Amino acid sequence: GAGVSQSPSNKVTEKGKDVELRCDPISGHTALYWYRQSLGQGLEFLIYFQGNSAPDKSGLPSDRFSAERTGGSVSTLTIQRTQQEDSAVYLCASSSNSWGADGYTFGSGTRLTVV
Amino acid sequence: DAKTTQPNSMESNEEEPVHLPCNHSTISGTDYIHWYRQLPSQGPEYVIHGLTSNVNNRMASLAIAEDRKSSTLILHRATLRDAAVYYCILRDKSGSGGGADGLTFGKGTHLIIQP
Repeated sequence: GAGVSQSPSNKVTEKGKDVELRCDPISGHTALYWYRQSLGQGLEFLIYFQGNSAPDKSGLPSDRFSAERTGGSVSTLTIQRTQQEDSAVYLCASSSNSWGADGYTFGSGTRLTVV
Repeated sequence: DAKTTQPNSMESNEEEPVHLPCNHSTISGTDYIHWYRQLPSQGPEYVIHGLTSNVNNRMASLAIAEDRKSSTLILHRATLRDAAVYYCILRDKSGSGGGADGLTFGKGTHLIIQP
């Protein structure tokens, strides 16, 4: 596609429920990142995928968070047993190589609200 | 990634040039200087990046000091649509991929454009 697509754009869920957030990167981009941004805060790195290598999960805040990337393309971020502090905008970015020589393209994000 | 320092906010008038400074005194020889901006309620948007030489594109110019310890993003003629948070980020080309190589966003500079 022309850009990074994320779905849904907004998600309201009850505390304790599981949610899945989807990211469609730009076709051919091998690097994919997930970030989250709480209201009025900067971006917090969550997880990084590069090609077929094992993902770097060092930014995931707890074991309730997991992500996968199927076929080196679409990625899904799963949050189990959501908590109110999980409320944030979750952003996905992709790049044509691991160090973003051509820049990273971000999606518009998924706004998650846990009530 | 090495740390950058930016002013918290800057204000400029519409149709005037804007110079956004960034200090990165601990930059290494393999660090690229990236600039991103984030408009309200949107994901970050790539603006420009460079290594040593000044760079120009349709959005902006990047002036890099000779010692590379600082850089300046130049918007030649600011419009109201340029009001955003501007992030200066160092990205190490030599990184092997992984969380440590993820783009690290600081607080950025909140650019206010007065009509």
